Amino acid sequence: DIQMTQSPSTLSASVGDTVTITCRASQSISSWLAWYQQKPGKAPKVLIHKASSLESGVPSRFSGSGSGTEFTLTISSLQPDDFATYYCQQYNSLWTFGQGTKVEIK
Amino acid sequence: QVQLVESGGGVVQPGRSLRLSCAASGFGFSSYDMYWVRQAPGKGLEWVAGIWYDGSNKYYADSVKGRFTISRDNSKNTVFLQMNSLGAEDTAFYYCARNSGSENFYSYWGQGTLVTVSS
Repeated sequence: DIQMTQSPSTLSASVGDTVTITCRASQSISSWLAWYQQKPGKAPKVLIHKASSLESGVPSRFSGSGSGTEFTLTISSLQPDDFATYYCQQYNSLWTFGQGTKVEIK
Repeated sequence: QVQLVESGGGVVQPGRSLRLSCAASGFGFSSYDMYWVRQAPGKGLEWVAGIWYDGSNKYYADSVKGRFTISRDNSKNTVFLQMNSLGAEDTAFYYCARNSGSENFYSYWGQGTLVTVSS
């Protein structure tokens, strides 16, 4: 089974900051990685798929990069609506989520 | 628009069974793979099961293999999750999700249904 390790688990930031979340796969997953945003009491929402492809309607301040085993999600100029929990997910071999990164207000 | 509506959650005693349903609308249901994902209260996301568009292939997480069964009825645009031998560790919100069609990430999610396993 492929394991996904996200870091950090919690991130404190201010509006306007640029933040980066890292996701590492236990083996190569090529670019088969998605990023999701989840707010309390809501279902997750996909932001990025295939490591760096932005979903339609997602603000361009979200970007993804990486391939193989190392991936990053970057949020440029953090907005109040961006405080949430973010998950990576590999879909190269079945499906595995990272443990999540909570982005909270500093 | 795409809608996924889960139902069937509730409180169930340990060792008992429960069947979840997910009614889909707004897209050609029989053309898409479907999935169940769960989230224990305050915890992260865990993929549970997946089924091909035609029901010919099914996949399960190790944590539920042998106890849970995913199925679908394309005539009713519904996917099911039969859960047997439930334990406290199965307490979670259960979401159904649909893939994008071209890739196997989850484009659409339902609102979730809560399953609580407790005596």
